Amino acid sequence: KQEVTQIPAALSVPEGENLVLNCSFTDSAIYNLQWFRQDPGKGLTSLLLIQSSQREQTSGRLNASLDKSSGRSTLYIAASQPGDSATYLCAVSLDSNYQLIWGAGTKLIIKP
Amino acid sequence: DVKVTQSSRYLVKRTGEKVFLECVQDMDHENMFWYRQDPGLGLRLIYFSYDVKMKEKGDIPEGYSVSREKKERFSLILESASTNQTSMYLCASSWTERGEQYFGPGTRLTVT
Repeated sequence: KQEVTQIPAALSVPEGENLVLNCSFTDSAIYNLQWFRQDPGKGLTSLLLIQSSQREQTSGRLNASLDKSSGRSTLYIAASQPGDSATYLCAVSLDSNYQLIWGAGTKLIIKP
Repeated sequence: DVKVTQSSRYLVKRTGEKVFLECVQDMDHENMFWYRQDPGLGLRLIYFSYDVKMKEKGDIPEGYSVSREKKERFSLILESASTNQTSMYLCASSWTERGEQYFGPGTRLTVT
């Protein structure tokens, strides 16, 4: 059974630092992996989607990488800003099923 | 930009009431989803619809039903609300079954 883990559960860093959020999954037979952002009490915003055949995707200051063989994805945030403070979730979709398997999220706080 | 709207941000209902949560998307997406999100349990899929009048049960369909009479609208129905259905309800849509999912702002439902 596919499991998705995000460590750490919470992270606090000073403004301006580059940081990496981690997502690991147990079954490498994934179709794609998505990263989302959620602000408190709000819905989710899709950040990046990586297909299983891709190694990375970039959007502005965000870069997501995927290593299927090791069951890992990272979300790199460059030059962090207080507005980046949110919970970041990753989710994988499998070859065999359309349902997304969700991680529990990493709560990120950027200190001014 | 894709827009997914939900009928209410906050809703308070009494035990035993019938509750309708509405979701509308404006991008002609085939696929629509209903999730609930609870602290410590993450996001869980309630129902999925891949076309008008077509639906599939997710992980936790008990106590819920859905309706999709028009492509843009997906309704979640709580036939007889119970206190354990107090939760954040999130609607999403996507072009393909495993494509990027776009979320609405969520409805915080409290059942007393």
